[in-house]
Amino acid sequence: KQEVTQIPAALSVPEGENLVLNCSFTDSAIYNLQWFRQDPGKGLTSLLLIQSSQREQTSGRLNASLDKSSGRSTLYIAASQPGDSATYLCAVKGDSNYQLIWGAGTKLIIKP
Amino acid sequence: EAQVTQNPRYLITVTGKKLTVTCSQNMNHEYMSWYRQDPGLGLRQIYYSMNVEVTDKGDVPEGYKVSRKEKRNFPLILESPSPNQTSLYFCASSWGLAGEQYFGPGTRLTVT
Repeated sequence: KQEVTQIPAALSVPEGENLVLNCSFTDSAIYNLQWFRQDPGKGLTSLLLIQSSQREQTSGRLNASLDKSSGRSTLYIAASQPGDSATYLCAVKGDSNYQLIWGAGTKLIIKP
Repeated sequence: EAQVTQNPRYLITVTGKKLTVTCSQNMNHEYMSWYRQDPGLGLRQIYYSMNVEVTDKGDVPEGYKVSRKEKRNFPLILESPSPNQTSLYFCASSWGLAGEQYFGPGTRLTVT
């Protein structure tokens, strides 16, 4: 059964730093992996979607990588800003049942 | 504007009183699903639908019902709510099983 783990559970860094969030999964038979952002009291915003055949995706200051064979993905945030403060979730879609399995998230705080 | 809407956003009810949470999307997506989010447990899928009149159970379907009579709507029905169904509920939609998922704003349900 697929399990998704996100480490660390919480992270606090000063504004301007580059940072990396980690996501690991136990079953490499995935269809895609998606990174989301969740703000308190609000819904989920899709940040990046990486298909299993891709190695990385970029959007603005965000870059997500995928190493399917090792069961890992990273979300790189460049030049962090206080507005980046949120909980970041990764979700893996299996290539057989297409169900999304979620990590517990990393709560990110960017200090001004 | 492309979006997924949910109503109500907040609901407090009593044990056993039937309720329905509506979900609607305007993107002509085939795939829709319901999730619940609980502290420490992350997001878990309740039900999903691959098209009109096609629904299937997710990981935690007990105590819930769904229907898909129209492509745009996917209501979640709690016939006899119990306190353990107190949670934050999200509806999502996508182009087919493999597509990027778009989420509604969430419905915070409290059952007393």
